[in-house]
Amino acid sequence: NAGVTQTPKFQVLKTGQSMTLQCAQDMNHEYMSWYRQDPGMGLRLIHYSVGAGITDQGEVPNGYNVSRSTTEDFPLRLLSAAPSQTSVYFCASSTRTGKVDGYTFGSGTRLTVV
Amino acid sequence: ELKVEQNPLFLSMQEGKNYTIYCNYSTTSDRLYWYRQDPGKSLESLFVLLSNGAVKQEGRLMASLDTKARLSTLHITAAVHDLSATYFCAVDIYNNNDMRFGAGTRLTVKP
Repeated sequence: NAGVTQTPKFQVLKTGQSMTLQCAQDMNHEYMSWYRQDPGMGLRLIHYSVGAGITDQGEVPNGYNVSRSTTEDFPLRLLSAAPSQTSVYFCASSTRTGKVDGYTFGSGTRLTVV
Repeated sequence: ELKVEQNPLFLSMQEGKNYTIYCNYSTTSDRLYWYRQDPGKSLESLFVLLSNGAVKQEGRLMASLDTKARLSTLHITAAVHDLSATYFCAVDIYNNNDMRFGAGTRLTVKP
């Protein structure tokens, strides 16, 4: 059972480049979300989805796009990377209510924008 | 403005000692989570607290929730080195799966 799988684990981008961070879960969880983690700031919610075809903005959505065409996949797109987007990105999933076991997190993607 | 505040942010303690980490939040919620993160690793779910007065214990860690005071605590009993990590609380905003995190408490347990 793979849980939440994120790829790539590391990425270096040049300013202005675009890329997609991949997130897939095999637990049939309805809810998926993307967070970024910066030193001293905890995790901040970028976008989330409560089911296929439904997405919504979190705390810090600017510069990021998401889509949810299937229950399993929730990719995060950076359209034009900026140095301020240098961060560690985590994908998480849960049942709709997240009541039983909390949220399951992926192993993270460390992104550097130069 | 919505806030989730943890204190202390840094905690250095000796093995065998007890201490409490506090998590205050500024909005209505009856769903609070505690996570552990080791350096360079992902987050591991420790506790899910779902109602006022909820108390959960696992080993040397005990978490509680007071929704009226909008306060959760994570109590460490007789700390050991293996508990060294960063601990995060997170609040489910409006019980709508919009989860907001505190800044984290970096715990170091020294021999």
